[in-house]
Amino acid sequence: GENVEQHPSTLSVQEGDSAVIKCTYSDSASNYFPWYKQELGKRPQLIIDIRSNVGEKKDQRIAVTLNKTAKHFSLHITETQPEDSAVYFCAASRRGASGGYNKLIFGAGTRLAVHP
Amino acid sequence: DGGITQSPKYLFRKEGQNVTLSCEQNLNHDAMYWYRQDPGQGLRLIYYSQIVNDFQKGDIAEGYSVSREKKESFPLTVTSAQKNPTAFYLCASSINQEETQYFGPGTRLLVL
Repeated sequence: GENVEQHPSTLSVQEGDSAVIKCTYSDSASNYFPWYKQELGKRPQLIIDIRSNVGEKKDQRIAVTLNKTAKHFSLHITETQPEDSAVYFCAASRRGASGGYNKLIFGAGTRLAVHP
Repeated sequence: DGGITQSPKYLFRKEGQNVTLSCEQNLNHDAMYWYRQDPGQGLRLIYYSQIVNDFQKGDIAEGYSVSREKKESFPLTVTSAQKNPTAFYLCASSINQEETQYFGPGTRLLVL
C-alpha cells in the first residue's frame, strides 16, 4: 500500500542554523504534500503545503521542495528559533483522482529541538 | 482550527467499557475524520465521513464505531473490542475531501 517515510526521526540544531526534514512517498500518483507542526500535547497545524505542479514553495523562513522524479519532498527551516521546536509531520495524497476519498498518508514525524 | 472542538481532553476507560469521544465543528465543513496517534508514530486513519449520514472505514477501524447524523458532529466510540485503546485521538475536518484538513485539540484516552 501507500507509504511515506520521513527522516530523520530526531533533529537537534543550534538557534540560527537551518533544519531540513525529508520525506519519500511510494505512490507516484500523489500530487498534494502538506506539512504539519505539532507542539507537545497540541493539535497538528498546517504550516505549508505544495502541489505537484510546482517544485518549490516558500513562506518566510519555511520552504518546501518537491522532486517528483525521485518521489521525495523536503521541509527547510532557516534561521531556526526555539519556538520552532516541535514534531513535524509530512503527508501525501492524490487530489482530484476519481474513485472515492484519497486519504492523507502521514510520515512518522521528526522531533526538532532548537537549542538557544 | 478554533472551529473544531473535542471533548473531553482526557478520558479514562475501564476494561470492557465503551466510551465516546466528541468532535464538533462550526466551520460548515462537509468532511470529517478521526485519527489515532501513538508515541513516535504518525497519524493513522480510523474512520472518515465525506457527508452527513455517510462514513467509511479507514486503516484501523476495528474496535471503533462512528455516526454522522449531523454535519457538525462526528462522535467516535471506542468499544470493548479495541484491546489497546490508549492513544491520543485527533478529529479533523475539511471543506470537502479535496481540501486541507484542520485538526481539533485532541482527546487523550487512558485505560484504568
